[in-house]
Amino acid sequence: QKEVEQDPGPLSVPEGAIVSLNCTYSNSAFQYFMWYRQYSRKGPELLMYTYSSGNKEDGRFTAQVDKSSKYISLFIRDSQPSDSATYLCAMSGAHNTDKLIFGTGTRLQVFP
Amino acid sequence: NAGVTQTPKFQVLKTGQSMTLQCAQDMNHNSMYWYRQDPGMGLRLIYYSASEGTTDKGEVPNGYNVSRLNKREFSLRLESAAPSQTSVYFCASSERLAGGGTDTQYFGPGTRLTVL
Repeated sequence: QKEVEQDPGPLSVPEGAIVSLNCTYSNSAFQYFMWYRQYSRKGPELLMYTYSSGNKEDGRFTAQVDKSSKYISLFIRDSQPSDSATYLCAMSGAHNTDKLIFGTGTRLQVFP
Repeated sequence: NAGVTQTPKFQVLKTGQSMTLQCAQDMNHNSMYWYRQDPGMGLRLIYYSASEGTTDKGEVPNGYNVSRLNKREFSLRLESAAPSQTSVYFCASSERLAGGGTDTQYFGPGTRLTVL
């Protein structure tokens, strides 16, 4: 079993829809939870991160962490065609030497 | 401020050939990483360097070597390329998050490598 599981998609939605992207994980030591966005043929870029449980909002994006269920989500409101990309979750423990563990990514397509 | 740069962008090799992938960052970061990205496998860490002069193995180091030439540059070498090394390679550098605990990683644009 992989430490981090992510549905590869593709997820295809109309413009304006609310999108929910999710990851599950097995390592209870994970404390930092990140979402990266990767456009086609580009490197990943950090969207947002949360520490431990709870929600974090940044514009149209909301990240949620449920540590009791080992489940994290990224919600995109009012989705735009420019949001079409692959979204990767990533997690790490709290020690300085802990490395990021990435999910495989979910490909999102937002059509006009 | 170019961030993380990688050369070359594309490369085709024959089995057994060698090559070096170059990476440089201008953000004064201590830590640098090499990943490979394959369909269905996500990003897997090959090697990393926590600081100038140190390197450590990641999840999939076999068949690769690295050199941390200075604080800015971190190269990845394939001594004898194999078809299993066909992949997209990303270099990254990182800085501590505000408040510590873990790093924010900044990625380069990637090198697409095909080994025939």
